[in-house]
Amino acid sequence: DVKVTQSSRYLVKRTGEKVFLECVQDMDHENMFWYRQDPGLGLRLIYFSYDVKMKEKGDIPEGYSVSREKKERFSLILESASTNQTSMYLCASSPGGRDSNQPQHFGDGTRLSIL
Amino acid sequence: DAKTTQPTSMDCAEGRAANLPCNHSTISGNEYVYWYRQIHSQGPQYIIHGLKNNETNEMASLIITEDRKSSTLILPHATLRDTAVYYCIVRVVGAGKSTFGDGTTLTVKP
Repeated sequence: DVKVTQSSRYLVKRTGEKVFLECVQDMDHENMFWYRQDPGLGLRLIYFSYDVKMKEKGDIPEGYSVSREKKERFSLILESASTNQTSMYLCASSPGGRDSNQPQHFGDGTRLSIL
Repeated sequence: DAKTTQPTSMDCAEGRAANLPCNHSTISGNEYVYWYRQIHSQGPQYIIHGLKNNETNEMASLIITEDRKSSTLILPHATLRDTAVYYCIVRVVGAGKSTFGDGTTLTVKP
């Protein structure tokens, strides 16, 4: 089975802090994604990556950055956390590169609270 | 990506088949249909996907109409553990991202 592991299930940080959310997948997938999930807004894509050191903006990249130095790891960075970034953050991965029709596999999420 | 429409909620008796509909009338020829489900406090779980043929795996069956404007996810023998929010998504190959709507909350009752 595909395993996507997010470093924390729950995280509490303060406004203005730099926050790192880590995601690791064990299936050698080329593609990795970061979403946030909010009630009434569904899942919204923040950033994604088709390859090591590659990144592309999703629908809501403002206030976030990402890093992919190794194939199995995709990090989401909140440069200066704000209260409106309180959310559930979900990482996903899928095989096959940019033109793949293969499904995404998700981690269990990190519930982040910014105080 | 094409927009999908799903009922807000459905109930199903335990042991019976659960049939979850999805309308995607604006789907284009290169868009696949994917189904996921999300149980409270967990990430979405992939169930099944297809382009135009019906598909079956160990979890479910996917029936896509001939004009591809709608599909139905079938859980053949629903259990209480199948209670979840079910998402139908259409996605162009190469687009990468998947756009999740509000989904259908399926409640399986004893």
